[in-house]
Amino acid sequence: AQKITQTQPGMFVQEKEAVTLDCTYDTSDQSYGLFWYKQPSSGEMIFLIYQGSYDEQNATEGRYSLNFQKARKSANLVISASQLGDSAMYFCAMREGGNSGNTPLVFGKGTRLSVIA
Amino acid sequence: SAVISQKPSRDICQRGTSLTIQCQVDSQVTMMFWYRQQPGQSLTLIATANQGSEATYESGFVIDKFPISRPNLTFSTLTVSNMSPEDSSIYLCSVSLDKSSGNTIYFGEGSWLTVV
Repeated sequence: AQKITQTQPGMFVQEKEAVTLDCTYDTSDQSYGLFWYKQPSSGEMIFLIYQGSYDEQNATEGRYSLNFQKARKSANLVISASQLGDSAMYFCAMREGGNSGNTPLVFGKGTRLSVIA
Repeated sequence: SAVISQKPSRDICQRGTSLTIQCQVDSQVTMMFWYRQQPGQSLTLIATANQGSEATYESGFVIDKFPISRPNLTFSTLTVSNMSPEDSSIYLCSVSLDKSSGNTIYFGEGSWLTVV
């Protein structure tokens, strides 16, 4: 079974509008972390935002926020005021087993976001 | 954030040859992770490299094909051996680093290999 599901292969958004990229996850661990990365055409993976399973507040980093709904096992990324430079592939990922740093990430299939002028 | 340098950034390789990718981190880390991203696909974990011990490989990846070295806490190499066109991928190393808000995982710039 997939641990990370991103159901939107592609999304379009108008410049300056907000967009939500969906992510659901599956784990039986109580302690886990959720991550979002941006991958432009250059191929590098850019860390955007992190949410721990015990964090009570939704994570925010500038224009990025994570809508964390634990009961639904969802961790949607919200990008506000979209810019042309936001056009890229976006990956949701999870690390199980706490924050020890010794476990790797599992990735979803990604969502390609295209920002239209 | 950490500085993670990968070399080479890109290469075109002949079928049957081997190529070694280097990953250098500017701070000491316990674990380093190597991923493969085939064209149009997501990232798949190849192996986890712990300093001073053999790397742990995921299902579908073997040491003979992807030997890994981890000589110290800031450096690792991944070799792609006896390459075929199916090995054309982006290869990425990543590390977990402490932040005040908790651990997070950073990636190198990636090594984009094309096998012809």
